[in-house]
Amino acid sequence: ELKVEQNPLFLSMQEGKNYTIYCNYSTTSDRLYWYRQDPGKSLESLFVLLSNGAVKQEGRLMASLDTKARLSTLHITAAVHDLSATYFCAVDSYGGSQGNLIFGKGTKLSVKP
Amino acid sequence: EAQVTQNPRYLITVTGKKLTVTCSQNMNHEYMSWYRQDPGLGLRQIYYSMNVEVTDKGDVPEGYKVSRKEKRNFPLILESPSPNQTSLYFCASSFEIATDTQYFGPGTRLTVL
Repeated sequence: ELKVEQNPLFLSMQEGKNYTIYCNYSTTSDRLYWYRQDPGKSLESLFVLLSNGAVKQEGRLMASLDTKARLSTLHITAAVHDLSATYFCAVDSYGGSQGNLIFGKGTKLSVKP
Repeated sequence: EAQVTQNPRYLITVTGKKLTVTCSQNMNHEYMSWYRQDPGLGLRQIYYSMNVEVTDKGDVPEGYKVSRKEKRNFPLILESPSPNQTSLYFCASSFEIATDTQYFGPGTRLTVL
């Protein structure tokens, strides 16, 4: 059974600092997704990582995937208040196109001035 | 405007009274999925559909039914709702889940008394 673990679950950062959110998963997969959710809102897709070594960047966020280590990271550079949200990773449980996605519990990020 | 719509957005009902939550997308997406979000548990997949007439169980399908008679619609049916189905429900769609991002609907907050 695929398990997806995120850490930390809560993260309080100061503006301008860097930090990394980790997403570990327990079985083979080469498809990993990152989402953002603002309080009281729906989810917004951030990144789709489809192969070992994949790296995607958008603004102050950069995501990477290491399928051998079963690990994805979401790196935040020079955090700003607008990045405050909950971030979820999700893994396709069959590593193919089956579509059965398992989500981590989310990392609630709070960026303070 | 490209979007995923859900109706109703809010619903309070009583145990055992059948209900349907509709989901519609206007992007000609093949993949659609239903999730529930509960505090401390993150998002869990209920059912998903890779295409018309093709549906599969996610991680928490008990007590739910779905159908995919046409590409744009993917209703979620609760034949006999129970209080443990009180949750926030999200519908999502993607052109092809193996390679593309998911677009989420606004959510339906369901309370079963």
